[in-house]
Amino acid sequence: DAGITQSPRYKITETGRQVTLMCHQTWSHSYMFWYRQDLGHGLRLIYYSAAADITDKGEVPDGYVVSRSKTENFPLTLESATRSQTSVYFCASSETGGSPLHFGNGTRLTVT
Amino acid sequence: AQSVTQPDIHITVSEGASLELRCNYSYGATPYLFWYVQSPGQGLQLLLKYFSGDTLVQGIKGFEAEFKRSQSSFNLRKPSVHWSDAAEYFCAVAREPTTGNQFYFGTGTSLTVIP
Repeated sequence: DAGITQSPRYKITETGRQVTLMCHQTWSHSYMFWYRQDLGHGLRLIYYSAAADITDKGEVPDGYVVSRSKTENFPLTLESATRSQTSVYFCASSETGGSPLHFGNGTRLTVT
Repeated sequence: AQSVTQPDIHITVSEGASLELRCNYSYGATPYLFWYVQSPGQGLQLLLKYFSGDTLVQGIKGFEAEFKRSQSSFNLRKPSVHWSDAAEYFCAVAREPTTGNQFYFGTGTSLTVIP
């Protein structure tokens, strides 16, 4: 099915561990994004990518790493997870920079 | 700096009543404006968008929104709310010309519908 898929849906990890959240889209959209959603903050952009091998920082990039070797995949890695990174993470894609975002169903990450 | 304000954190309406969710933005040029809805445990779904032209835009699920430049507002409306409309609603603004990091989201309005 066409769409945007995030995995896992739920993840519990310990402080200091490395965690990778996966995102896969089937539309061949140029742009992909990672947001985190926290109560009282709405959605905040972590990183985005305008095309394969092109990534850039968003509002809250510290502690996160991204890569985009293929157009359809945009994994997000927490190199050393901290409790402050407990959040719901959303991946999104869009055809162009300002066209509507299409969201995945999110990954709920808990760092203990 | 660009920003989006949704003044109402939580709204409760009775089923069948009309609804208006407020959104104000701060931006110096013509923005791209969006409303998204999020059901529990789900991602955000696009309700409607405004890029240019007619300032009253129609969206899915019977929603509409009106762009008022003089008030820097883009309020979402629905004439008769259904119980299934209970969800979180987010207003967003994107910059024109756009680059990938120029989406700004409000903090959301949670809608409760009373039978």
